[in-house]
Amino acid sequence: DQQVKQNSPSLSVQEGRISILNCDYTNSMFDYFLWYKKYPAEGPTFLISISSIKDKNEDGRFTVFLNKSAKHLSLHIVPSQPGDSAVYFCAVQGGSEKLVFGKGTKLTVNP
Amino acid sequence: GAGVSQSPSNKVTEKGKDVELRCDPISGHTALYWYRQSLGQGLEFLIYFQGNSAPDKSGLPSDRFSAERTGGSVSTLTIQRTQQEDSAVYLCASSFLSVLQETQYFGPGTRLLVL
Repeated sequence: DQQVKQNSPSLSVQEGRISILNCDYTNSMFDYFLWYKKYPAEGPTFLISISSIKDKNEDGRFTVFLNKSAKHLSLHIVPSQPGDSAVYFCAVQGGSEKLVFGKGTKLTVNP
Repeated sequence: GAGVSQSPSNKVTEKGKDVELRCDPISGHTALYWYRQSLGQGLEFLIYFQGNSAPDKSGLPSDRFSAERTGGSVSTLTIQRTQQEDSAVYLCASSFLSVLQETQYFGPGTRLLVL
């Protein structure tokens, strides 16, 4: 049973528009949440994170929102650029150093 | 060497053979992690090292899998008697400290194919 779910395997958006990637988790013990971005044949690259004491964290074009009651987080990319096309993984941590990952969402930003 | 490096980048082996995968973490990073990504799946935790000791080996799928770390630096993941289901991308990550909420930086991975 998956502890972290990214229900959309893929997402396609137009350049300049907003991309919204979603992630749901099952365990309320998780208290740190991250997004990684992965290009083909490369390792995942850390993008942005948020701890459970906050509900929003912003870094340039990237914003992560956390809804603890719904056990849901989302990543907003505004404006989307073609270079943002990649697979985005949601990862969570709670009580141990290991990260638990979702299966990823492939984002395609069309010029 | 700014980032985490892994070797080999690709490995093709026959079922039943042993393989060794190597990870060089970022210099000065005390914590080292191994994950694997099977086709269509997310990254799956295998083992983590704090210095040369492994406080958490809970993700190793069977006793055919083992890992060691020497000198607080390089780590080797060994898979004995490989099976086809071991085919995956094996990813190594390191972090400066082995504490919670410390960012883990990943290497490019080793793509293992067992025929």
